[in-house]
Amino acid sequence: GAVVSQHPSRVICKSGTSVKIECRSLDFQATTMFWYRQFPKQSLMLMATSNEGSKATYEQGVEKDKFLINHASLTLSTLTVTSAHPEDSSFYICSARDSPNTEAFFGQGTRLTVV
Amino acid sequence: GDSVTQMEGPVTLSEEAFLTINCTYTATGYPSLFWYVQYPGEGLQLLLKATKADDKGSNKGFEATYRKETTSFHLEKGSVQVSDSAVYFCALSNRGSSGSARQLTFGSGTQLTVLP
Repeated sequence: GAVVSQHPSRVICKSGTSVKIECRSLDFQATTMFWYRQFPKQSLMLMATSNEGSKATYEQGVEKDKFLINHASLTLSTLTVTSAHPEDSSFYICSARDSPNTEAFFGQGTRLTVV
Repeated sequence: GDSVTQMEGPVTLSEEAFLTINCTYTATGYPSLFWYVQYPGEGLQLLLKATKADDKGSNKGFEATYRKETTSFHLEKGSVQVSDSAVYFCALSNRGSSGSARQLTFGSGTQLTVLP
């Protein structure tokens, strides 16, 4: 299957700082990328959907000013957690697909710890 | 809204044991159903899928049958191996009115450990 690379795999940051997570499709053009958050022993919760060149669509309850998503090219989307707090500590996963009816491929996830 | 309820883990089995991980769903319309697997340190990989009632998805010895009458999609394998140790996620996707696929709704995941 296609490859989606997510970076970094782990990051520790101090409260109040911002952290950027990258999601790249390595061998296909990702017209749509999805960002998920996963709490321990819970489901993956969709945070937002981004289409290349347009603003992301956020799910209800997700703060768009807190979680900035940029999908500036067909192979890269970034999630920036701004002014991070300990409650933002979580596992963040991206996925990407090249068209609405095709399978979405997942990155390996990023473990964010805010101290 | 749509939801997926998955058997809680962790599940620990001996090699060559029979595996069942239960999954039930609640959804409007006619969703497609999926099982994803996540090996340690890796992203989610599609394991198998079924797009309509009574379809059976299969891959790598794993099987799941789309049961509309019981709204279930239980994952089974007749003889597990140590290499099957991973987290398994059940998920559904509903098609929108335009025919395009929607985003996935996931279960909570089940950690499987297979001991030699």
